[in-house]
Amino acid sequence: QVTLKESGPVLVKPTETLTLTCNVSGFSLSSGGVSWIRQPPGKAPEWLAHIFSNDEELYSTSLKSRLTISKDTSKSQVVLSMTNMDPVDTATYYCARLVGLWSYNCFDPWGQGTLVTVSS
Amino acid sequence: QSVLTQPPSVSGAPGQRVTLSCTGSSSNIGAGYDVHWYQQLPGTAPKLLIYGNRNRPSGVPDRFSASKSGTSASLAITGLQAEDEADYYCQSYDSSLSGSVFGTGTKVTVL
Repeated sequence: QVTLKESGPVLVKPTETLTLTCNVSGFSLSSGGVSWIRQPPGKAPEWLAHIFSNDEELYSTSLKSRLTISKDTSKSQVVLSMTNMDPVDTATYYCARLVGLWSYNCFDPWGQGTLVTVSS
Repeated sequence: QSVLTQPPSVSGAPGQRVTLSCTGSSSNIGAGYDVHWYQQLPGTAPKLLIYGNRNRPSGVPDRFSASKSGTSASLAITGLQAEDEADYYCQSYDSSLSGSVFGTGTKVTVL
């Protein structure tokens, strides 16, 4: 059974850097990719970044300058960093396994999500 | 800002059929990229409902069906049930943005 679980701070201050960790089980990061997706309260999900099994990284064009995605295959962890946090970045952050070829892919399953609030 | 547009809300009585639309453009759905659908129950993460335009994952009732044509896609729920009350999102790929994109979402209410 494939599962993903996000962890990280609940509250960050404006201008700080957010670091989130996704722990995966049921598959190896050497054979499968993981994306980060966020969802502001009451709004639609927004894809942020993806890391492939070969370590290739892809980023949302609008947030690329602020995001870094990495992974530790031995620990089954994928890490997302987002710099210069702002209150508009308040959202539930999900990690999800990518299924299918990139650009034709879907996401399944998703982690439970972690709500991050940006406030001073 | 989502590039896939969905009606904000749809409602129907138990047992009825409702249809949700997802309208894109020539850089996403119209370019031939697959459309996928997710169901998000209150307080939970999105769950894959339809993949590859019309395919149901194991465990998804056949009351849910989907199709794609041109720059749009649609999801139909037949025999609407109270447990179907949720938010539904479409997802595809956009070549202009070089990334996955989600629809604005439709809230389904069972009257």
